[in-house]
Order: sequence, then structure tokens, then C-alpha cells
Amino acid sequence: DQQVKQNSPSLSVQEGRISILNCDYTNSMFDYFLWYKKYPAEGPTFLISISSIKDKNEDGRFTVFLNKSAKHLSLHIVPSQPGDSAVYFCAAKGISGTYKYIFGTGTRLKVLA
Amino acid sequence: NAGVMQNPRHLVRRRGQEARLRCSPMKGHSHVYWYRQLPEEGLKFMVYLQKENIIDESGMPKERFSAEFPKEGPSILRIQQVVRGDSAAYFCASSPAVHTGELFFGEGSRLTVL
Repeated sequence: DQQVKQNSPSLSVQEGRISILNCDYTNSMFDYFLWYKKYPAEGPTFLISISSIKDKNEDGRFTVFLNKSAKHLSLHIVPSQPGDSAVYFCAAKGISGTYKYIFGTGTRLKVLA
Repeated sequence: NAGVMQNPRHLVRRRGQEARLRCSPMKGHSHVYWYRQLPEEGLKFMVYLQKENIIDESGMPKERFSAEFPKEGPSILRIQQVVRGDSAAYFCASSPAVHTGELFFGEGSRLTVL
């Protein structure tokens, strides 16, 4: 049962344009959401997060939007740069019981120069 | 920079052998998570441990896999009698005692079973 889904396995964007990566979740008990970036042969690195009490969080070129009613979050990267080319994972965590973090299957972003 | 340290980075085993993967969390972190990434797949949760306790092992295969996080020393993920399907990248992550945010990941251990 995939509780966190990233339905687009890949995305190509022109340098300078906006990249939008999407993520859907099914468990309404998730209260904290994160985005990670992963290069080949490296560990995932944290990008940005959002608490369920917010609907937007911004950090430089990265903005995460959360739509709780739709159980949907998205990551916007603007402007996109070639160095942003990587696999992006969204993750979700519940506050009660286990603090298990559930990851999506990832979206491979390619930014074209 | 004492990040999450995993070793070995690469491990080759023949079918039926044992694999031991080690993870030292970031300084001050007492929570360790293990994830597995199969080729062309996402990060699958395996187990969540605190010092000397397994908190959630719902993602661990019931047989051949075990994990520990002793009072002293690194966390160890142990795979007995490895099979080709165990070939994957195994990532360890840690977090502070108080869950204020993100997990910090190591570089991963890539297991290849011949």
C-alpha cells in the first residue's frame, strides 16, 4: 500500500523555467512533509519541509505548497538550474505513534541547458 | 563534519553468505532509520530504532533480516543467507531525540549479491 505517491517518474524542464514536482498522500494522519533531493550514488539530502498547519513554505528558489483537503503537495523550483537535475523524493511523517517517515517513489528531474 | 557514517560503501556477497551493514548516526542523534532502495525504485522503510530498542520494524522482511542499535557502537543491519533479490542500496538516517524535522541520511551501502 503506497501511502505516498509520486505519479510522474520523470520531468524535463528548460533552464530558467519553473519545475513543478507533485506528490499525493492517502493518510490523513500525516502532519509533516518533506522533500529530498538525491544524486546518483549519494544519500538523499534534505531540501525543504512543511508542517500541516501551513499551506506554503519558501526557501530561496524552492517553495512547497500543501493542499490538505486534496492530500496533495508540490515542490516548485524557480528558476530551474542544470545542477537541480536529480531525483526528488517527497516524504511524510505522522505525529502520533510511530515517527516513521514514508517516502514516495521519486521523480527524476532533468533541467536542460 | 560528523554526518551519518555508513560502512562499507560497497559490499559484494555470494548467495548464502551474510551481510552486515553499519551505521553511525550524527553526533547527538539517538534515532536511527534504515531504508532500502531497489534498482529504479523509491526508498522503502525497513526499521526504526532508538538506543537498545526497536520501535518499528514493519518494513523488515520477516526472515533473514535483523537490526540492532546497541548502547555503545553503531547500528547494524544484518542480512543472513543473502539472495540476489537483496541486491540494493541500503540507506541509514538519523534524527535527534526530539522529532523536530528532517532525517539526515548517510551515503548508503550498496550490496551486490552474486
